[in-house]
Amino acid sequence: GNSVTQMEGPVTLSEEAFLTINCTYTATGYPSLFWYVQYPGEGLQLLLKATKADDKGSNKGFEATYRKETTSFHLEKGSVQVSDSAVYFCALINDYKLSFGAGTTVTVRA
Amino acid sequence: DTAVSQTPKYLVTQMGNDKSIKCEQNLGHDTMYWYKQDSKKFLKIMFSYNNKELIINETVPNRFSPKSPDKAHLNLHINSLELGDSAVYFCASSQWGDNTEAFFGQGTRLTVV
Repeated sequence: GNSVTQMEGPVTLSEEAFLTINCTYTATGYPSLFWYVQYPGEGLQLLLKATKADDKGSNKGFEATYRKETTSFHLEKGSVQVSDSAVYFCALINDYKLSFGAGTTVTVRA
Repeated sequence: DTAVSQTPKYLVTQMGNDKSIKCEQNLGHDTMYWYKQDSKKFLKIMFSYNNKELIINETVPNRFSPKSPDKAHLNLHINSLELGDSAVYFCASSQWGDNTEAFFGQGTRLTVV
């Protein structure tokens, strides 16, 4: 079956710090990979995606590269802002089923 | 225009009651989902419908019954509510396929007292 494992939080950072959230997956075939973000009191929004090996997804300063050899899709941002405080979910879709990791809560302090 | 809208946003009810949550999408998608998010933010898929047909039913108690009157709507009816049903329920939609993103509603926070 499909599964997504992401680093546990919570993660607390100062503004302008470097953020990385690790994500690894297990799936048969060639899943598409996503990072979703959930701001407080809201639904999930797509942050970025990658559909094949070595693809790099990027958006709002966030990046993640689809690494098939390590089955990973780590999220990175070079300089976080207070407005990046949210819950981040790694996800994959395979056989038409969208599966999520447990979510990582990130808090950025001014 | 809200792409995926759910009503109500908040729902407080007593144990044993029956309640419904409605979901509508105006994106022209053919696939809709219900997810349950617990207090630790863990998201679990409950149901998935494609063109009004049930595709995924993930070991959800049969007190939960989804209904899709058309491709743009997927409602969730819950019978005999229990304390453990308290959670945030999210509706989502996408176009059928393995490369497509899902769009989520704002969620319905259900509290059973």
